[in-house]
Order: sequence, then structure tokens, then C-alpha cells
Amino acid sequence: AQTVTQSQPEMSVQEAETVTLSCTYDTSENNYYLFWYKQPPSRQMILVIRQEAYKQQNATENRFSVNFQKAAKSFSLKISDSQLGDTAMYFCAYPPSYNTDKLIFGTGTRLQVFP
Amino acid sequence: DGGITQSPKYLFRKEGQNVTLSCEQNLNHDAMYWYRQDPGQGLRLIYYSQIVNDFQKGDIAEGYSVSREKKESFPLTVTSAQKNPTAFYLCASTQGGVNEKLFFGSGTQLSVL
Repeated sequence: AQTVTQSQPEMSVQEAETVTLSCTYDTSENNYYLFWYKQPPSRQMILVIRQEAYKQQNATENRFSVNFQKAAKSFSLKISDSQLGDTAMYFCAYPPSYNTDKLIFGTGTRLQVFP
Repeated sequence: DGGITQSPKYLFRKEGQNVTLSCEQNLNHDAMYWYRQDPGQGLRLIYYSQIVNDFQKGDIAEGYSVSREKKESFPLTVTSAQKNPTAFYLCASTQGGVNEKLFFGSGTQLSVL
């Protein structure tokens, strides 16, 4: 079965510091996409970043970047210069096959940013 | 502003009752999804629809039903057959399928009285 694992249920970081959230997944596909979604206290999910597996370059979006290790099937999210507004649940997700219409989500990592 | 509107924000269901959760989008997206979120778990797919008048079961469709009579609307009915309906329900939409960005509503918290 194809799965996605987030091994850190909770993490905390001080404001302005850097934190890395881990995610591993299992797929037999060669071309696929990987996603990090954020769910703030408002509970509305927001896309943070997307990575295309066939691209060597790691995706970046402002303070958010990924460390994508295709062979290891690892897709971690790095948040630089953490801000109080980054406090949220973070979910890793991917489509289990190329022609699928659904995403598999991890169980999430709760990130708390402290002043 | 374009987006997805879910209503109500909170909903209470009595034993044996069917309840309907509303999801409306004005993004002109073809695909719409319903996810269920339980504490400590990721999102699980209930139903999805790629086009009007067509929809498919997701991983946990039992006890739920949907309709897609209009492009902008994708209501979810939680039937009395769903024995454990207490959860947070999220509606999402996208134009290009799940390899593209999903836009989410703000969710409905359903509880059993």
C-alpha cells in the first residue's frame, strides 16, 4: 500500500529560527508531485509548496523550501526565519499514482512557533 | 473574491438523521472533493467529482452520498448509515486534477448529539 509518513507529531521552534519537518513516502511511480499543505488554527488548508519529482532542483517559496531525496523517498520542509504565523499543522501529501484523482495525506506535524 | 464556501461551520446530528453539508465554489473549477479529518489522522477522501453529473467514491464513501448537479456546487449528505460521523469535513476544488493546487473551504465540524 502506498503511504506517507510524518514521524514528528509535534515540533516547536523559536521565532526567527529554522525548523525542518520530515516526510517519507512510498510510491512505484517515476513521475509524481509532492505537496506540503498548512492548516492554521482557522483550519482552512493552504498549499505551502509543490515539488515535481522529475525535477532535480528543490522547490522554494520565499521562506519555505524542500529537501527532496527521490531515491530515499524523502520530502522534508524547511521553514527559515520562522514567524508566529507559521504556527499550524503541516501535512505532506502526494497522489499515489500518476493517473489517480486523489491525494494521500500524512498524519501531520503540529508546529508551534514561540516568541 | 474567488473561493470555496462551506456551510454551516458547525452542525449537529441526531441519531438516525441525515444531514447535508454545503460546498459552493466560484473558481470555475471542474474537480471537487470531500475529505474527512479526524484528530491525529490525515485527510481521507470521501467522494470526488471531475465533472457535472458524475462523481466517484473515495476511500471512505460508506454512509455518505453526494450530488453534482451544478459545476459550482457539491453537497455532501451524511446519512444515518454513517455510524461515526463526528469529524471535520473539508471541501476542495482544483482545475487541473490533484497534481495541481487544491483550494480548500474553511470546513464544517459535524458532531453527534
